[in-house]
Amino acid sequence: SQQGEEDPQALSIQEGENATMNCSYKTSINNLQWYRQNSGRGLVHLILIRSNEREKHSGRLRVTLDTSKKSSSLLITASRAADTASYFCATGANSKLTFGKGITLSVRP
Amino acid sequence: NAGVTQTPKFQVLKTGQSMTLQCAQDMNHEYMSWYRQDPGMGLRLIHYSVGAGITDQGEVPNGYNVSRSTTEDFPLRLLSAAPSQTSVYFCASSGRSRKNIQYFGAGTRLSVL
Repeated sequence: SQQGEEDPQALSIQEGENATMNCSYKTSINNLQWYRQNSGRGLVHLILIRSNEREKHSGRLRVTLDTSKKSSSLLITASRAADTASYFCATGANSKLTFGKGITLSVRP
Repeated sequence: NAGVTQTPKFQVLKTGQSMTLQCAQDMNHEYMSWYRQDPGMGLRLIHYSVGAGITDQGEVPNGYNVSRSTTEDFPLRLLSAAPSQTSVYFCASSGRSRKNIQYFGAGTRLSVL
C-alpha cells in the first residue's frame, strides 16, 4: 500500500517560476525523501529530511516537514526546463522504501 | 563507478516463460531491493535483501524469486510469466553509512504477451 500521496498529480509551469509539490503520509516516520525520475530513467535521490527537522535546503530545493500534519513539501525555485520530470516522496529505511505515486512536473521554456 | 547495472533493458516474454532479471552493483552496498513501476501506481517493493544470504518479501512478492549469493548481485527470477507482470522493474542499492538513500538502476522494461 502507498505510504505517501503526492499532490498535485501533474503540474505545468513556466521556466523561472517556482514549483511546489506536496506529500502526505499515513504512519509515523524517521525520515522522508524526495526522488526525481526523468523519462525512461531510474530514480535519483534529491534530498532527505529527518523527523526532527522542519526544513532543509539543497541548491534550488527546499523541503519542509510537518510531522503533526504528516505532510512534506518540495519547493523548486527558479525552475528550468531540465527540471521536467516525475517527483516522488518516499518513506522507510534501509532497503524498504515506500513511494508515492508521483507528480509529473512540466517546465515550459 | 558503474553504480547499479540492470540487464536486459528490454524483454518480451510469452505467458508461462521464465527468465531472470540481472542486477549488479559495484558500490559494496549491503542493501538491495527490487521494485516494479506501473502507470499510476508508483513503485512497489517486490523483494529486498539486507546482505548476502539474506532476503525477504516486500509488498508484491508473488510470482518472483530472489537470491543473494554475493554482495554485488541480486537477480530477480520470474518463475512463470503472466501478463500482470508486464511492468518496468528497478533494482536499487544502499550502503550502511547512508542506508536510507537508494541508488537505482536504469530499469528493465518487461512485456508479457
